[in-house]
Amino acid sequence: DTGVSQNPRHKITKRGQNVTFRCDPISEHNRLYWYRQTLGQGPEFLTYFQNEAQLEKSRLLSDRFSAERPKGSFSTLEIQRTEQGDSAMYLCASSLVSGSNEKLFFGSGTQLSVL
Amino acid sequence: GIQVEQSPPDLILQEGANSTLRCNFSDSVNNLQWFHQNPWGQLINLFYIPSGTKQNGRLSATTVATERYSLLYISSSQTTDSGVYFCAVDNFNAGGTIYGKLTFGQGTILTVHP
Repeated sequence: DTGVSQNPRHKITKRGQNVTFRCDPISEHNRLYWYRQTLGQGPEFLTYFQNEAQLEKSRLLSDRFSAERPKGSFSTLEIQRTEQGDSAMYLCASSLVSGSNEKLFFGSGTQLSVL
Repeated sequence: GIQVEQSPPDLILQEGANSTLRCNFSDSVNNLQWFHQNPWGQLINLFYIPSGTKQNGRLSATTVATERYSLLYISSSQTTDSGVYFCAVDNFNAGGTIYGKLTFGQGTILTVHP
């Protein structure tokens, strides 16, 4: 168990550029989540995958955002035409549901700065 | 949606002191977790505790679901306990299936001085 891995750790981009982040969940975890955290706030839910199916998207996820999880393994989160308001920490989490117990394990996040 | 309030917002302790962090939530929950976010930003899952009491070393947590609150106890605090403690809940239950769409509180910032 190597934990949830996220790349890159930091990303600086200019407004209007596209960026893509990657998340590798804990192996055999079938659920994968993306959250966003801004300074001084708790993380906010963005979207969720069960295996390869994207089952829910928050209204925070505008049409500039797209997430995929091909083959139910790693996931990517792409932001098109970035805006300064997109600057935040993007966190990925994975879980394996056991009975009624679902414990989330988070990666270290990707810190995005849009200049 | 469900509201989560944590108190106190900030807490400063001397090493060795004990502390209690509180989480109030506005609706019944199926999933409640406590996390510690260290100074490097890593979120560590401390407890999955929608009800009852659990202990793990110097940390313990109690959730009283009927009264909609949870408490996190830290005993004999150490400088490595510093960081932000988050309570997160989810009350979604579709046909008995829960999932990890969590609503986080604002967190309690804990600073432990040597």
